[in-house]
Amino acid sequence: DGGITQSPKYLFRKEGQNVTLSCEQNLNHDAMYWYRQDPGQGLRLIYYSQIVNDFQKGDIAEGYSVSREKKESFPLTVTSAQKNPTAFYLCASNDRAELGNQPQHFGDGTRLSIL
Amino acid sequence: QKEVEQDPGPLSVPEGAIVSLNCTYSNSAFQYFMWYRQYSRKGPELLMYTYSSGNKEDGRFTAQVDKSSKYISLFIRDSQPSDSATYLCAMSAYTGANSKLTFGKGITLSVRP
Repeated sequence: DGGITQSPKYLFRKEGQNVTLSCEQNLNHDAMYWYRQDPGQGLRLIYYSQIVNDFQKGDIAEGYSVSREKKESFPLTVTSAQKNPTAFYLCASNDRAELGNQPQHFGDGTRLSIL
Repeated sequence: QKEVEQDPGPLSVPEGAIVSLNCTYSNSAFQYFMWYRQYSRKGPELLMYTYSSGNKEDGRFTAQVDKSSKYISLFIRDSQPSDSATYLCAMSAYTGANSKLTFGKGITLSVRP
């Protein structure tokens, strides 16, 4: 089945620790996105990548880093500089516009908590 | 003013009711409009996707877009307990790989049997 797989489902971070969230898609989509969801806040864009080896900051990139070495993978690292990392993290992907209207599709998220 | 405003909820209705969910927006560049449904501890699932103004119907769901008023709605007919979820409106100026979405905060709907 084609889809977006996020792992782990739950993750705990200690103070001063970097953690990496995985996002893999087998939809052959060009673009991938990371969002953060907080209660009552909706989804906010952290980083996005339109093509391999290229990515752009979203609205709340501080304290996060990403890489896009393979088309199917877009891992997110939550660094120790992110002082309030507790949230639900969602990965999404979609294809290029030349193929028609392309809404974003989401994985099932990773819930990150502080120990 | 936030770019996208969504009725805060929560909303509780009896089974079989017609539900109306609404969002307003301020950015006139938005032309792609989406409704996502999100169950607890799950990712958002695309429910409706519309371009520009007009109506789109899919089963019990109807999406309406009024670009002149900067207002979108989702109607759910004959609501079922399985419709109980959080509903998020989202919109963007572009589709495809440059489609940065702006979301409403979401409204939690509960359909009582």
